[in-house]
Amino acid sequence: EVQLVESGGGLVQPGGSLRLSCAVSGFTFSNYWMNWVRQAPGKGLEWVANIKQDGSEKHYVDFVKGQFTISRDNAKNSLYLQMNSLRVEDTAVYYCVRGSNARNVGPFDSWGQGTLVTVSS
Amino acid sequence: DIQMTQSPSSLSASVGDRVTITCRASQDIKQYLAWFQQKPGKAPKSLIYLASSLQSGVPSRFSGSGFGTDFTLTIISLQPEDFATYYCQQYYSYPLTFGGGTRVEIE
Repeated sequence: EVQLVESGGGLVQPGGSLRLSCAVSGFTFSNYWMNWVRQAPGKGLEWVANIKQDGSEKHYVDFVKGQFTISRDNAKNSLYLQMNSLRVEDTAVYYCVRGSNARNVGPFDSWGQGTLVTVSS
Repeated sequence: DIQMTQSPSSLSASVGDRVTITCRASQDIKQYLAWFQQKPGKAPKSLIYLASSLQSGVPSRFSGSGFGTDFTLTIISLQPEDFATYYCQQYYSYPLTFGGGTRVEIE
């Protein structure tokens, strides 16, 4: 069974940093693109970033470029999102999402349960 | 960026109804369109990819169609567990973008 379990969320002050983790199991992690998608309270879904199977390619939504960094450790079956200079508007549930096992990004199929990040003073 | 526009933003329907949700892309995305279902307090669930292919385990009452800029998600014979919010998403180009969502409520 495919499982994605996020951790690392919590309350942080504006300007602070947080590192999210996603531990995966049930599939060969190194074969898949991986994504982070977020959802602000009461709002819709927003794609944040993704990373290719070997980490050689990363893409970000414009408003997090230079602020967030996606990475992965295939030996540990883990995905990460380093979030710096956090703003109130970064408050959201952050989901770890599996992409495709193809060369190109492809569709999402499996989602984690999400981890809540709250940025507030 | 490719804008994804869903309509309606919400609808009321009864069990057994046929429901159609529309998603329009601001430019041609070929067939690189996915649909997701989300229930309150839960993570989204992937329903459809490549505009019309069902993800494994998704009931056949769900179907998708479209190509280019106009797409639809249809649920024939709406079931109680189908009351949820539905999102479309394009994965043709970066940044990957979602529609604003369609909330399907009980009439």
